[in-house]
Amino acid sequence: GAVVSQHPSRVICKSGTSVKIECRSLDFQATTMFWYRQFPKQSLMLMATSNEGSKATYEQGVEKDKFLINHASLTLSTLTVTSAHPEDSSFYICSARDWVLGYTFGSGTRLTVV
Amino acid sequence: AQSVTQLGSHVSVSEGALVLLRCNYSSSVPPYLFWYVQYPNQGLQLLLKYTSAATLVKGINGFEAEFKKSETSFHLTKPSAHMSDAAEYFCAVSESAGNNRKLIWGLGTSLAVNP
Repeated sequence: GAVVSQHPSRVICKSGTSVKIECRSLDFQATTMFWYRQFPKQSLMLMATSNEGSKATYEQGVEKDKFLINHASLTLSTLTVTSAHPEDSSFYICSARDWVLGYTFGSGTRLTVV
Repeated sequence: AQSVTQLGSHVSVSEGALVLLRCNYSSSVPPYLFWYVQYPNQGLQLLLKYTSAATLVKGINGFEAEFKKSETSFHLTKPSAHMSDAAEYFCAVSESAGNNRKLIWGLGTSLAVNP
């Protein structure tokens, strides 16, 4: 079946630094990738939708200059949290979609900003 | 606009008992419907999906769901709960057409299975 690899699974960083999270579709080409944020015991909050080779579409209230998304190829999307602060600590999940398989999720990244 | 309502944020069943997790949706276009399961600190795994074919959908791990248009429901069931079924379950809906077709999520239902 379709597999999406997300790295790192956990990261701890200092306030003010930037963190990059990678999301790769391993055995299919993802036409669209989605980035979510999930707070403890809550549902997923869509942050942005990205299509390969074009700018990401951000959801209302999500700072595009803080959460940089790059979708340079059909198999790779990255989310960079810039100038991270403790309030950015969260669980981030990517999802890749192709026209046949539907939506496949990465295993998530637990970001802790100290 | 589409929306998803999951009735019951917490459901507790005994091992071997029927599991019923409720999901109702609203959509102005024919929907695609999904159930996902999430274990602690992990991503989401697809249990099953409805994409306008058979209304009774069978998924992994013995789960199934029935699409009822008249009731705008897509409830998830499993005849006999297992301890390993304890997890968070999310229902989601997407449009059946359009380029981006993002998922709209329910708030989730936490399933506890008691021995």
